[in-house]
Amino acid sequence: LAKTTQPISMDSYEGQEVNITCSHNNIATNDYITWYQQFPSQGPRFIIQGYKTKVTNEVASLFIPADRKSSTLSLPRVSLSDTAVYYCLVGDLATDSWGKLQFGAGTQVVVTP
Amino acid sequence: EPEVTQTPSHQVTQMGQEVILRCVPISNHLYFYWYRQILGQKVEFLVSFYNNEISEKSEIFDDQFSVERPDGSNFTLKIRSTKLEDSAMYFCASAHRVSGNTIYFGEGSWLTVV
Repeated sequence: LAKTTQPISMDSYEGQEVNITCSHNNIATNDYITWYQQFPSQGPRFIIQGYKTKVTNEVASLFIPADRKSSTLSLPRVSLSDTAVYYCLVGDLATDSWGKLQFGAGTQVVVTP
Repeated sequence: EPEVTQTPSHQVTQMGQEVILRCVPISNHLYFYWYRQILGQKVEFLVSFYNNEISEKSEIFDDQFSVERPDGSNFTLKIRSTKLEDSAMYFCASAHRVSGNTIYFGEGSWLTVV
């Protein structure tokens, strides 16, 4: 699985957009980018997944530039309940080793009123 | 939305005792996993299970750990002789893999070894 680098923490106010960028310079051709969210004492929760360009769902958007060496998770108009740790993971979904997810330290997002 | 459910939510056990953590994966999923997270540390992969056998395991998953799918719905993690350092949150996860690669996690079982 490709190594990822993301900021340790980010602070935001309610209603603002939060953008978390993840670097994955060694991403392989078949690798996908997946983001998880984790609240304290809870299991990681899948947010979004993408391969290239832009993916959007009801929770977030994922922007992936053409070189795919980085990606940005965008959380629109955050609320206090978006305070959590966000993890970026990169890997080949087609291999059995995909299930061996390698979580880093993630990005602690703190949203204040 | 379908969920992975885990029991117990919290268990306190004495060092050296056996512990069984139980999980009910999402019903049509084929791949099952256990992860753990020691307080304040990263989420760590323990083991993956498919077609009634272990497909991959980490170095953490030594002989004191075992997994089993005793029936069509449950997936268990057994720790034979618990140590203080086994205190952690244990997460069960599952994925279909054929119709989707998203791995869904349960809420966790918090194990405290005293």
